[in-house]
Amino acid sequence: ETGVTQTPRHLVMGMTNKKSLKCEQHLGHNAMYWYKQSAKKPLELMFVYNFKEQTENNSVPSRFSPECPNSSHLFLHLHTLQPEDSALYLCASSPQGGRHQPQHFGDGTRLSIL
Amino acid sequence: AQKITQTQPGMFVQEKEAVTLDCTYDTSDQSYGLFWYKQPSSGEMIFLIYQGSYDEQNATEGRYSLNFQKARKSANLVISASQLGDSAMYFCAMREGLGGSQGNLIFGKGTKLSVKP
Repeated sequence: ETGVTQTPRHLVMGMTNKKSLKCEQHLGHNAMYWYKQSAKKPLELMFVYNFKEQTENNSVPSRFSPECPNSSHLFLHLHTLQPEDSALYLCASSPQGGRHQPQHFGDGTRLSIL
Repeated sequence: AQKITQTQPGMFVQEKEAVTLDCTYDTSDQSYGLFWYKQPSSGEMIFLIYQGSYDEQNATEGRYSLNFQKARKSANLVISASQLGDSAMYFCAMREGLGGSQGNLIFGKGTKLSVKP
């Protein structure tokens, strides 16, 4: 139990569907992150939120839309995805600031696009 | 150029033996942090150990230790007394930037460790 919960664990969707991934952290952290992990590639940072404000968008296509209503919750809204978007999507959180603070990850959502 | 290089795509180790997973990094910052994570097949990324660039001693955490050689820019993970449950992907990561700033983690491609009974 890492204190970061992601739902759903698995998601299969068609290219025309709209779905959302949810992340919740119970660690009192102020920074939250979305990562994409594709096969045989390093983790790719997608979005960063600090105190509910988006501080980084790593050139992510607009078919991925993040939302951070508060410091404990983070969503990733998905629409009209492509087959290459199939991947493991990981959420993480960390205390604000400090190079020595590790990020704590959830179990991830394994997404498959048909 | 890659910031984090893990040259071993896969490693095997006999149960109860020690194993070293390699990691080299590239940065021009004087202040940075190095992290190791474990990812079992279930997908969760588990934080293992941290080494700060100004830390004079190698970090240790239970059976995990970090062989930090700053001049060579290497931060190898040593796992002692391997257990079957250590079989997983292992990722080295770096955060650049000064304390107080939200520098982002940069990950390597990972090493798949398999522990043989």
